[in-house]
Amino acid sequence: DIQMTQSPSSVSASIGDRVSITCRASQGIGNWLAWYQQKPGEAPKLLISAASNLRHGVPSRFSGSGSGTDFTLTISSLQPEDFATYFCQQTNTFPRTFGRGTKVDI
Amino acid sequence: QVQLVQSGAEVKKPGSSVKVSCKVSGGSFSGYSFAWVRQAPGQGLEWVGGVVTFGGSSNYAKKFQGRVTIVADKSTNTVYMELNSLRSEDTAVYYCAKDSSGWGYDSWGQGSLVTVSS
Repeated sequence: DIQMTQSPSSVSASIGDRVSITCRASQGIGNWLAWYQQKPGEAPKLLISAASNLRHGVPSRFSGSGSGTDFTLTISSLQPEDFATYFCQQTNTFPRTFGRGTKVDI
Repeated sequence: QVQLVQSGAEVKKPGSSVKVSCKVSGGSFSGYSFAWVRQAPGQGLEWVGGVVTFGGSSNYAKKFQGRVTIVADKSTNTVYMELNSLRSEDTAVYYCAKDSSGWGYDSWGQGSLVTVSS
C-alpha cells in the first residue's frame, strides 16, 4: 500500500497568514492527489483534484502543487472559515490511502 | 448535483454485523463508482473500500477483507456497506462518497455513526 505522510500535524496561524501543508507519498503517484477540508461534525469537502486542479466554487486563495511523491497545499491568505483539518489522498492506486491530517487553528 | 443520503446511527454488540445504506439521487447512478471511508472519534480518514456500479466489481482495504461487503443496487440507486464480526475498534462515522475516478471524492453522504459496545 502507498503510505501518505502529511506534515505538519497541526499549525497555528492568524488571519491573513500564508499556510502550507505538505504530503509525501511512499512511491510515485504522478499527479493523482486530492486535498480535502473537513470541519467538525461535517463530511470532508473536496478542494483540489489531480494535485493542482481547484474544484468549482473553491476560493482561489487555495492552491495545490507537486507531482511524483511530493505535494503541497497552500492557503495564500487565511480566512476565518479556513480553520479546519486538511487531508491529502492518493487516487493513483487501490487502496486509496489518506494522510493523517493537518489541523489549522488559531 | 449528486446527493448521497445515508441511513441513521446504529448501536451494535461486539461480534454482530451492521449494514449501512447510501441512497444516491441526481446524476446517472450506473456510471459512477462509490467508496466508503470511516473516521474513528478524533481520528483521521480511513478508506474501507469501493464499488463500481457498472459491472459491480468491488475493492477492499486489506484490513477489512473477509469482513466487509460493498454492493450497489441499481434498482434502488443505493450503495450498501456491510461489516461483520464487529469489534469496539469499528466504532466510527462511516461515510459514503462518489468517486470521480482518480479525481477524488466529489460528493459525500452526511455520515452514519456506528457504535460497537457491549
